[in-house]
Amino acid sequence: ILNVEQSPQSLHVQEGDSTNFTCSFPSSNFYALHWYRWETAKSPEALFVMTLNGDEKKKGRISATLNTKEGYSYLYIKGSQPEDSATYLCAQTGSARQLTFGSGTQLTVLP
Amino acid sequence: DAGVIQSPRHEVTEMGQEVTLRCKPISGHDYLFWYRQTMMRGLELLIYFNNNVPIDDSGMPEDRFSAKMPNASFSTLKIQPSEPRDSAVYFCASSLDGSGTDTQYFGPGTRLTVL
Repeated sequence: ILNVEQSPQSLHVQEGDSTNFTCSFPSSNFYALHWYRWETAKSPEALFVMTLNGDEKKKGRISATLNTKEGYSYLYIKGSQPEDSATYLCAQTGSARQLTFGSGTQLTVLP
Repeated sequence: DAGVIQSPRHEVTEMGQEVTLRCKPISGHDYLFWYRQTMMRGLELLIYFNNNVPIDDSGMPEDRFSAKMPNASFSTLKIQPSEPRDSAVYFCASSLDGSGTDTQYFGPGTRLTVL
């Protein structure tokens, strides 16, 4: 059973601030790390899938890095906007090829 | 493509009643997943199918839960009898393959309330 942890649990930032949060996961039997964005009353939307140590992915103002040796991934948002308010979930795929989700970081961007 | 379709979007029922949740995956996707979202346990996998065959149902909480996939375009998750602790949001997701690096596409979810 994989134990994926995210921190912080929730975060409030001002519009224009840059922010980042962490996903920690077991480094053994690592296969892939997924980031999802989940807005209230909508379905989780895939942001990134990363597999290689040192991977860095970017989508607009959002980017993510991966360290498989120490078991963590960071998600960065540059110049946060109110529409970035959502819960950001990470999930690890292990040898069983199933997603194990963290509990998420709930981001609120204040105008 | 319309994406993953789930119905109903909301379901309110009384304890002891049978509840059936429905899912239509994205056409061409070979894998279908059922998840449950609760405050206590977050998003947890209940069961998944590959080419309509259940592969791993170890996440199904107990015998009151059952899932079927009679064809490539339809799956059901049934709870009988339902209990208040089953109240949660149930998501269906599908993916092209089960490689682990493939993206899972989620439906809008069914919010179940058992009174």
